[in-house]
Order: sequence, then structure tokens, then C-alpha cells
Amino acid sequence: DTEVTQTPKHLVMGMTNKKSLKCEQHMGHRAMYWYKQKAKKPPELMFVYSYEKLSINESVPSRFSPECPNSSLLNLHLHALQPEDSALYLCASNYGDRDTGELFFGEGSRLTVL
Amino acid sequence: AQSVTQPDIHITVSEGASLELRCNYSYGATPYLFWHVQSPGQGLQLLLKYFSGDTLVQGIKGFEAEFKRSQSSFNLRKPSVHWSDAAEYFCAVGAANDYKLSFGAGTTVTVRA
Repeated sequence: DTEVTQTPKHLVMGMTNKKSLKCEQHMGHRAMYWYKQKAKKPPELMFVYSYEKLSINESVPSRFSPECPNSSLLNLHLHALQPEDSALYLCASNYGDRDTGELFFGEGSRLTVL
Repeated sequence: AQSVTQPDIHITVSEGASLELRCNYSYGATPYLFWHVQSPGQGLQLLLKYFSGDTLVQGIKGFEAEFKRSQSSFNLRKPSVHWSDAAEYFCAVGAANDYKLSFGAGTTVTVRA
């Protein structure tokens, strides 16, 4: 299995809602990433989990809350988002600190905040 | 800190014509270099990568890229473009033991019939 699976593919939520994005991989990767991507822009790193511990938080607002329940699963909990948070959220994974930097990306979850 | 520059924001090419996308990087040590492609509404797909060795690397979908250390470049080429190559292309630079991958701003490729 060489895939990173993200659900849902599309999500529409109001500013007062609480929702979650889910990411799963079964490649034995020990590092998992959340990226945010606006249209026609490169992905921006949000969080990195290494061996199920948060190792990088790129000063992301607290309305985004990551969680890594196990080495195969990564969640992004969303609460009280703003319309400007509408974007494509990409999950990625690799072997982490013994890796060459190559990332395996999921198809993304397209989020619209009303 | 590493950085990547893609000088061309948008390129239009005729189907069957050749394509070259430019990428320049800045990095103190030996970089790990990548080209990704993103079709509309999709995630990023790795086209090819360079870590070491032969400076001309072959990728998927008929793409190749050449690493030129003297010019700090990693340009992507395809001899004959297909309509399905219309997409956004991102060059990226990384390093061993570094979680951060630095992406260029991207180049939009339009293919005309």
C-alpha cells in the first residue's frame, strides 16, 4: 500500500462548527505532515508529527488542532474557523529523520468555511 | 535556509511541442531536489527526484530533469507535451534529517491544441 488516504475529500462548515480531517497511511512512515494550500500557491507547512509526537508547529492558530493517535493516523480538528481558512488541506508522510525529504501526499481535503 | 525560485509563473505550449520549466535553488549543502505536479483539484504527485549520482534523472510521464550544481538549477523537461500535462508544477528542495521541504511558487502550464 503506497497511498496516503484523506477523508473527507470535500467539507463545508460554518464558522461555529467543529469538524475533523482525517489522514491515514500504511507504509510504515513515522513522520506525518499537514499542509495548507491556497489556489495557485505552493503548499505551506502547518504541522509535523514524528514518531507520534508533535515536532513542528509553524505558528498555526489554535483553531487548528492536530492529533496523531498512532503512527498510521493523523487528524486535524477544526473549530471556529474563518472564511480565509478555506483551502486545500494536504496530508503527507515519509520515514522522517532517516529520510531523504521525499514526501508522499494524499489527494487533499478541500475545505470551505462559510 | 534553503529556497527555491521558479522564474516562470505561466507557460503556454502547443501540444507536441517541447517543454522546459526552470528551477533555481539556494542551499548550503548538497540539496535533495524534487519536481511535483498538481492537476486541478488534486494532490501533489512526485514526477522525479535527485539525491546524488547521475545528474540527469528520469521521471514518470516522460519527464526528465538535469541537476547543474554550477548554476544551482534543476530544470524540468519533456520532449513532447500532451494535453494532459496541463497542470501546476512545483519544484522543491529538501535535505537529509530536515523535515521541511521548501517549495517554489509554482509554474502553471497551459497546453493549447
